[in-house]
Amino acid sequence: EAQVTQNPRYLITVTGKKLTVTCSQNMNHEYMSWYRQDPGLGLRQIYYSMNVEVTDKGDVPEGYKVSRKEKRNFPLILESPSPNQTSLYFCASSLVREQEETQYFGPGTRLLVL
Amino acid sequence: AQKVTQAQTEISVVEKEDVTLDCVYETRDTTYYLFWYKQPPSGELVFLIRRNSFDEQNEISGRYSWNFQKSTSSFNFTITASQVVDSAVYFCALIMNRDDKIIFGKGTRLHILP
Repeated sequence: EAQVTQNPRYLITVTGKKLTVTCSQNMNHEYMSWYRQDPGLGLRQIYYSMNVEVTDKGDVPEGYKVSRKEKRNFPLILESPSPNQTSLYFCASSLVREQEETQYFGPGTRLLVL
Repeated sequence: AQKVTQAQTEISVVEKEDVTLDCVYETRDTTYYLFWYKQPPSGELVFLIRRNSFDEQNEISGRYSWNFQKSTSSFNFTITASQVVDSAVYFCALIMNRDDKIIFGKGTRLHILP
């Protein structure tokens, strides 16, 4: 079954404690991306990756890091989380430049930073 | 500057009515892609459609249809004979070809009343 998985689904942490949210897809997609969703602000792109070892900043990259060492995985790293990073995070993947590609989303990770 | 505007924050209609969700975009690029996503109350994000800037044909998929008009920079979404299961937040989004960064509108919350 084609899917994007994220872990953990829910996380409560404290300010400054490094955390990683994993994202994995089983569709051999080139393009992967992270978003955060906040009330009144909609969805905003954090980082995206066009392929292995290729990553670019989205609209709100501050405070986040990513890596793309393998095609299937695209972890989101918060080196020193702060309360303003409390949000709902989505990972997504898709083929690149295909005419009718479908973008698949993970189930979301709800993060609370105290 | 690139921007996506969904002017309708919230819409309520009675079941079986038709409803149109508006999306207006701004970009100077000649090549770009437009998307619609659905987020039902359960929270997951569901990809609905992608349209590239060179394809102005309207799209119909069951009760869903999309009207892309470059002259007015709009990519509107119509649900015909709405059903309660259509209740969700709907997001319109834009990717410019030159950098693949995605920009979302703030979403329209649609309530279908029984």
